[in-house]
Amino acid sequence: QVQVVESGGGVVQPGKSLRLSCAASGFSFSTSNMHWVRQAPGEGLEWLAVISFDGRTEYYADSVKGRFTISRDNSKEMLYIQVNSLRTEDTATYFCARESGRHFDSWGQGTPVTVSS
Amino acid sequence: DIQMTQSPSSLSASVGDRVTITCQASQDMSNFLNWYQHKPGKAPTLLIYDTSKLKEGVPSRFSGSRSGTDFTFTISSLQPEDIATYYCQQYDDLPITFGQGTRLEMK
Repeated sequence: QVQVVESGGGVVQPGKSLRLSCAASGFSFSTSNMHWVRQAPGEGLEWLAVISFDGRTEYYADSVKGRFTISRDNSKEMLYIQVNSLRTEDTATYFCARESGRHFDSWGQGTPVTVSS
Repeated sequence: DIQMTQSPSSLSASVGDRVTITCQASQDMSNFLNWYQHKPGKAPTLLIYDTSKLKEGVPSRFSGSRSGTDFTFTISSLQPEDIATYYCQQYDDLPITFGQGTRLEMK
């Protein structure tokens, strides 16, 4: 079945970097646009970034532009997001999601990131 | 950017009640408006896409509609398993934006 599973979260100090991963299975990853979304504690969902199916096009939310980089490896069916210069306000659960049409039809359970000294 | 104003932020209802949640778009947009259900510790799940299309396998008590820039999500008869937070999402244009969420509780 269609599945995406995030990993790579943890506790990190402010100013440090982290790479989050998303393993895809059960669908044609190489033909799917993929997204990252996060949810801070007690807050709602915040869209972060999208990467096109072929990796050629990326688009970011203003809140993370310049600090976060989305990427993918179609040969491994993996999605990534590099998060740099982490701030306490980046503390959140990070979700990856598959796009199908103009909606997200499959999400992972998320990987938690805590930014704390 | 298209802003989505979702209301109410929380809602308490009883089993069998009709529940309605609204999202107002900040500008005219297409029908690319989606509704998700999110339970704590779980993956969000798509219920309604393109304003009113029910995702396969989702119970028919869930529905969506539109009037101008106002989008409405309805649960016709609330069930205990519907307790969750609900979000609207616009994908008319980038950046994608979500409503603030509606936390649905059982009375």
